[in-house]
Amino acid sequence: AQTVTQSQPEMSVQEAETVTLSCTYDTSESNYYLFWYKQPPSRQMILVIRQEAYKQQNATENRFSVNFQKAAKSFSLKISDSQLGDTAMYFCAFMRRPGDYKLSFGAGTTVTVRA
Amino acid sequence: DVKVTQSSRYLVKRTGEKVFLECVQDMDHENMFWYRQDPGLGLRLIYFSYDVKMKEKGDIPEGYSVSREKKERFSLILESASTNQTSMYLCASSPGQYGPEQYFGPGTRLTVT
Repeated sequence: AQTVTQSQPEMSVQEAETVTLSCTYDTSESNYYLFWYKQPPSRQMILVIRQEAYKQQNATENRFSVNFQKAAKSFSLKISDSQLGDTAMYFCAFMRRPGDYKLSFGAGTTVTVRA
Repeated sequence: DVKVTQSSRYLVKRTGEKVFLECVQDMDHENMFWYRQDPGLGLRLIYFSYDVKMKEKGDIPEGYSVSREKKERFSLILESASTNQTSMYLCASSPGQYGPEQYFGPGTRLTVT
């Protein structure tokens, strides 16, 4: 069974600063996908970033970047230059292999950006 | 843009009632999913459908059934609602072989009294 652990239930960051969310996962697979999803208050869940395990380069999307450590089974999300609109719950998710399609989610981290 | 819609944002039902939650996607996606979201537990997969009339149990299927008669529509059915099914229910779709990302609907907050 795959498990995804997000050890930080809540985090708070000052506007314009950087925050890093941690995620670890457990798998015996070698080729898989990892995702970060964002769920703003009372709004729809959206994809933030995706990482394929076979790619060594860390994925980046504007102010969002990941630190993917395959051997350590770690997949952290860094939000740079935090904005008020980044306030949301963030979920780490794992897909055990291409073609499996099902996601396993962590418990989520609530991020609050303070003005 | 992919659009996934759910029939209700909020729903209140009584114990023992039969409940239908509807989800529609407009991008001709192969796969559709139903999750429930509870605080501290994240999202847990209830059922997954990879084609019309095809379904697969997820991690917590007990007390639920699903129906997919048309590609764009995936229904979650609570045959006899119970208070422990009070939760947020999220529907998602994905293109399957054309991409692993899932696209989510706005969610239905169901309260069973």
